[in-house]
Amino acid sequence: QKEVEQNSGPLSVPEGAIASLNCTYSDRGSQSFFWYRQYSGKSPELIMFIYSNGDKEDGRFTAQLNKASQYVSLLIRDSQPSDSATYLCACMEYGNKLVFGAGTILRVKS
Amino acid sequence: DADVTQTPRNRITKTGKRIMLECSQTKGHDRMYWYRQDPGLGLRLIYYSFDVKDINKGEISDGYSVSRQAQAKFSLSLESAIPNQTALYFCATWDPNSGANVLTFGAGSRLTVL
Repeated sequence: QKEVEQNSGPLSVPEGAIASLNCTYSDRGSQSFFWYRQYSGKSPELIMFIYSNGDKEDGRFTAQLNKASQYVSLLIRDSQPSDSATYLCACMEYGNKLVFGAGTILRVKS
Repeated sequence: DADVTQTPRNRITKTGKRIMLECSQTKGHDRMYWYRQDPGLGLRLIYYSFDVKDINKGEISDGYSVSRQAQAKFSLSLESAIPNQTALYFCATWDPNSGANVLTFGAGSRLTVL
C-alpha cells in the first residue's frame, strides 16, 4: 500500500525560529509533492508543490525534495504564531489522486 | 460565493439512517473528489470522478456511494450510517489543465453518527 508518513508532533518552535517539517513516501513512482496547511476545523490550503529534486522557495517557505531518499520537507523561516496549524504532506498518484500523510501539528510560541 | 460548496456543514444522525452529503462547484472542473478526515489519520480518499460518466473508488469506499448528477455536482451517500463513519468530510475539485496544480477544497461537512 502506498503510504505517506509524517511525524504527528506537536513540533514546538519559538517565534522567529525555523520550523522543519518532514515527510517520507513509499511510492517511487510519485512525481509530484504538495504541502497543505490546515487550521483547526478548516479545509486544507495549498502552500507549495514541488516536482524536481532540490529546493523550491516561496517567501518564508522552502520545500525540499530528494527522490532517491523518498523524502520531502518544508522549512518555514521566521516562524510566526499564525503559522501554528497542521501541515499535511501529499503525493500525487495516477489519476490526479492525492495521497495524504496524517499531518504534523506545528506550534509557534510567542 | 465559495467555489466549492458543501451541504450540510454539520449533521447529527442515528445509526442506520441514510445520509447524503452534497457538493457543488462553480469552477467548471471535471475532476471531483470526496475525502474523509479523522483525527490522526489525515485525509483518505473515498471516491473520485473525472466526469459525469467516470466514477472511481478510492481507498475507503466501503459503506459509501456517490452520484455525479452534473459536472458541477457530486454527492456522497451513506446508505446505512454507522458510528465509525463519524468524521469530517471534504469535497474537492481539480482542473489539471489549469496549470494551477491546486486541489480546491470545500469547507467540509462534519457528520456525527450516534
